[in-house]
Amino acid sequence: EAQVTQNPRYLITVTGKKLTVTCSQNMNHEYMSWYRQDPGLGLRQIYYSMNVEVTDKGDVPEGYKVSRKEKRNFPLILESPSPNQTSLYFCASSLRTATGELFFGEGSRLTVL
Amino acid sequence: GQSLEQPSEVTAVEGAIVQINCTYQTSGFYGLSWYQQHDGGAPTFLSYNGLDGLEETGRFSSFLSRSDSYGYLLLQELQMKDSASYFCAVRALGGQNFVFGPGTRLSVLP
Repeated sequence: EAQVTQNPRYLITVTGKKLTVTCSQNMNHEYMSWYRQDPGLGLRQIYYSMNVEVTDKGDVPEGYKVSRKEKRNFPLILESPSPNQTSLYFCASSLRTATGELFFGEGSRLTVL
Repeated sequence: GQSLEQPSEVTAVEGAIVQINCTYQTSGFYGLSWYQQHDGGAPTFLSYNGLDGLEETGRFSSFLSRSDSYGYLLLQELQMKDSASYFCAVRALGGQNFVFGPGTRLSVLP
């Protein structure tokens, strides 16, 4: 089954404790991206990657890091989480961004205390 | 930059037709996409308008007019399962980042 898989789905952590949210897709998509969703703000792009070792900032990259060492994986790293990073995070991938079609993972709800 | 606006909420009855608008201020984009998101779920792709005009996919249609900086999603023969949030999105011209609107929550009443 074609899918985008995120882990963990739910996480409660404390300020400053480094964490990684993993994202893996099995569709051989070159494009992958991360979003955060907050009430009333829609989805805001954090980082995206056009291919292995090619990443770029989205609209809200502060406080986040990403890496793309393999085509299928695109982890999101919070080096020193803060309460304002409490949010619902989605990973998405696309075969061709020209189609405007993104495939989303099920989301990861992160709470930073 | 890109800025998309949508109504925050829309309510309609089962069997009716509803239009969800998306207006934008943007320096340029490739096309307008629409996504549906049920509570607790992931966004799922509905449609894409790369060119001006109407695109039809079953009960859903989407329209884009670049000259009017305006697009909409049209849902016909509404069903209870259509109750969800709907987001418009654009991919910025010259880049690969996607910008989403704030979303419209559609409530379908019996």
